Amino acid sequence: GAGVSQSPSNKVTEKGKDVELRCDPISGHTALYWYRQSLGQGLEFLIYFQGNSAPDKSGLPSDRFSAERTGGSVSTLTIQRTQQEDSAVYLCASSSYGMPEQYFGPGTRLTVT
Amino acid sequence: GEDVEQSLFLSVREGDSSVINCTYTDSSSTYLYWYKQEPGAGLQLLTYIFSNMDMKQDQRLTVLLNKKDKHLSLRIADTQTGDSAIYFCANYGGATNKLIFGTGTLLAVQP
Repeated sequence: GAGVSQSPSNKVTEKGKDVELRCDPISGHTALYWYRQSLGQGLEFLIYFQGNSAPDKSGLPSDRFSAERTGGSVSTLTIQRTQQEDSAVYLCASSSYGMPEQYFGPGTRLTVT
Repeated sequence: GEDVEQSLFLSVREGDSSVINCTYTDSSSTYLYWYKQEPGAGLQLLTYIFSNMDMKQDQRLTVLLNKKDKHLSLRIADTQTGDSAIYFCANYGGATNKLIFGTGTLLAVQP
């Protein structure tokens, strides 16, 4: 079946602009995660959604970062007033409720110039 | 705090076995994972092990877990050039909802 998809695959933006990154989880998966992969910091957790529960936002690095999940499916990660240190690959993952496997999408490579 | 460590690089010859090691600090981990990342690609889940197990085998992959020493290893039998990639160890569980990843081990397979 279809895996996790993310769009765009690449995004180049100017410093100070806002960006939106999209994630489509595997159909039926109730849990959705955002991670960031950068050279300096490795793979870091950003935010976690589980069903209709309040999201775990403990990994968001600043208040410029926010995420929504509409209808328990698609998620959008928004970065406002982008900075060069936001340049990274943003990875989305999903899992089925109660199951340990987290499946990752191909990522969005964000470059802030 | 939570920490997962791996060696950075491993080089093996095609046909040999590869062993990638990982140590972690969170004793409340419920699951431990191995992911593979090829250049320009996302993370591919290879295998995972529940913390009350000490071994799991899946075709060419063998995972060993020493919970007392908080040590996890991934053995790849008959390593092929297509196995060249970065391998990430990760743990999950306790009070968190997230995977904690190691730094990744670059496996280079020489023909």
